[in-house]
Amino acid sequence: SQTIHQWPATLVQPVGSPLSLECTVEGTSNPNLYWYRQAAGRGLQLLFYSVGIGQISSEVPQNLSASRPQDRQFILSSKKLLLSDSGFYLCAWSGDGTEAFFGQGTRLTVV
Amino acid sequence: QKEVEQNSGPLSVPEGAIASLNCTYSDRGSQSFFWYRQYSGKSPELIMFIYSNGDKEDGRFTAQLNKASQYVSLLIRDSQPSDSATYLCAVYYSSASKIIFGSGTRLSIRP
Repeated sequence: SQTIHQWPATLVQPVGSPLSLECTVEGTSNPNLYWYRQAAGRGLQLLFYSVGIGQISSEVPQNLSASRPQDRQFILSSKKLLLSDSGFYLCAWSGDGTEAFFGQGTRLTVV
Repeated sequence: QKEVEQNSGPLSVPEGAIASLNCTYSDRGSQSFFWYRQYSGKSPELIMFIYSNGDKEDGRFTAQLNKASQYVSLLIRDSQPSDSATYLCAVYYSSASKIIFGSGTRLSIRP
């Protein structure tokens, strides 16, 4: 069966520090991969998605970047965090046209 | 126009009644539609998916799709307190291989 791992579960980082969140998928090949962010009481904002290794599409220009160095690995990064980067970050995978399956999420607080 | 729109609520429904949640989407080419439930602080979990016009029933849940009107709905029969959560509508945009979520509807079931 397919599983998705996302870590860490919680993170407190100072303003101006770098960020790296990692997500890996097991049990499937060539998945579509997604990074979403959810502000408190809000919906899921799509940040980045990828249909293959090295292929990254950005939805919203901001202080973040994404990379897919391996088929089942998706990384979200920032060189310098802003207060506005705080939120609940969710990694997900899907097949073509099928539902998304989510990791446990990372609650990021920038202080 | 937002890609996926939902009423944010909150929607308050008495226990045992039918809860009706609605969603509209902008891309006429979309083929896959999903409803997720999200409890506070947790990742979204899939409730239903629907690909064809009409109704799809699964236990107390019924998803309805009208592609001509670009409208998806979710009915929850015999509402229980455990149904109190945020319900997210999601649409797979096949032209871009991405899944877009609505802002979610907060549902409260009152005893």
